[in-house]
Amino acid sequence: GDSVTQMEGPVTLSEEAFLTINCTYTATGYPSLFWYVQYPGEGLQLLLKATKADDKGSNKGFEATYRKETTSFHLEKGSVQVSDSAVYFCALSDDYKLSFGAGTTVTVRA
Amino acid sequence: GAGVSQSPRYKVAKRGQDVALRCDPISGHVSLFWYQQALGQGPEFLTYFQNEAQLDKSGLPSDRFFAERPEGSVSTLKIQRTQQEDSAVYLCASGLGGATYGYTFGSGTRLTVV
Repeated sequence: GDSVTQMEGPVTLSEEAFLTINCTYTATGYPSLFWYVQYPGEGLQLLLKATKADDKGSNKGFEATYRKETTSFHLEKGSVQVSDSAVYFCALSDDYKLSFGAGTTVTVRA
Repeated sequence: GAGVSQSPRYKVAKRGQDVALRCDPISGHVSLFWYQQALGQGPEFLTYFQNEAQLDKSGLPSDRFFAERPEGSVSTLKIQRTQQEDSAVYLCASGLGGATYGYTFGSGTRLTVV
């Protein structure tokens, strides 16, 4: 079945550092790809998405590009802030059902 | 309401006890999902409703798990004869359509079976 593998954490960074979280997927069709974020004490929130190959999703300074040739959807941010500390989940969907990766915990130190 | 509301926030159950978890989705959202999230893992799909119809229950781990959404709004996830492996956070999500429209997740119910 469809699945997502993402970089294991935890990841600890200093403020203004560059962040990359790797995500690869396995799917039989042409899924849409997502990054969800979970801030401490809050529910999962959609961070960004891409619905077809070569699409770039972006939000709050984060970006991810749908790479069909490498089946990847890596999340990047050029300069992280303390407020970016959260758990990040890569996910895919063919239609309505989301399949999530295990999550990557990111801590940003001042 | 403004978001997806789940209750209770925490539930401790003795092994063998029945529990009921409630989800109040965003008004007007036709899609409703239940997910199970074990500690340190990503959410795993349990079941999907479109209005009052349960269209997919393929993720329910056993016949002890039952979900309903009788009037197409509030949903209840019931777990009978709870076991220790049922300990997890149960997440509810709602949306206007498919995944590309984006789903709004509740904060979850943390179930601990002792």
